[in-house]
Amino acid sequence: KQEVTQIPAALSVPEGENLVLNCSFTDSAIYNLQWFRQDPGKGLTSLLLIQSSQREQTSGRLNASLDKSSGRSTLYIAASQPGDSATYLCALPAGAQKLVFGQGTRLTINP
Amino acid sequence: NAGVTQTPKFRILKIGQSMTLQCTQDMNHNYMYWYRQDPGMGLKLIYYSVGAGITDKGEVPNGYNVSRSTTEDFPLRLELAAPSQTSVYFCASSYSGRNRWSNQPQHFGDGTRLSIL
Repeated sequence: KQEVTQIPAALSVPEGENLVLNCSFTDSAIYNLQWFRQDPGKGLTSLLLIQSSQREQTSGRLNASLDKSSGRSTLYIAASQPGDSATYLCALPAGAQKLVFGQGTRLTINP
Repeated sequence: NAGVTQTPKFRILKIGQSMTLQCTQDMNHNYMYWYRQDPGMGLKLIYYSVGAGITDKGEVPNGYNVSRSTTEDFPLRLELAAPSQTSVYFCASSYSGRNRWSNQPQHFGDGTRLSIL
């Protein structure tokens, strides 16, 4: 059974810093990995999807990497801004595109 | 540009009442999903559907029922509401082809916040 862990549960950093969010998973036989952002009281917004054949994906200031052999993915946020404050979740499919989610990292960027 | 639309946004039920959470998508996605999110927890899959007329259980299906009569709609039914069903419910959809490389990200609605008192 796929298990997904995100550490830390919460992170607070000053504006402008570069930061890394971590996601680990137990079963390396994955098709893809997806990073989401969730704002308070809102649904999830897909940020990046990495196919299993890829090592990283980039979108603007976001860069997600995938290392299947070690069961890890990281989300790198460059030059953080207060608007980046949100909960970030990673998720992996466990058959038929059913996603298994981590508990999320609640990120606060302080002006 | 609607995407995934969920109604209602908020609801308070009494124990034992029933209700249906509505979900519709306009992206012609074949896959649809219902998740629940409890405080401090990730999302857990309740039910999913790979196409009209086909549904299957997820990780936490007890106390819920679904139907998929059309591609667009995937309602979730609570028959006898219990306090343990107090949660935020998210509907999602995605396109998945026969080739796994054609799988696309899941798109989520804004959620239904449900309280059972």
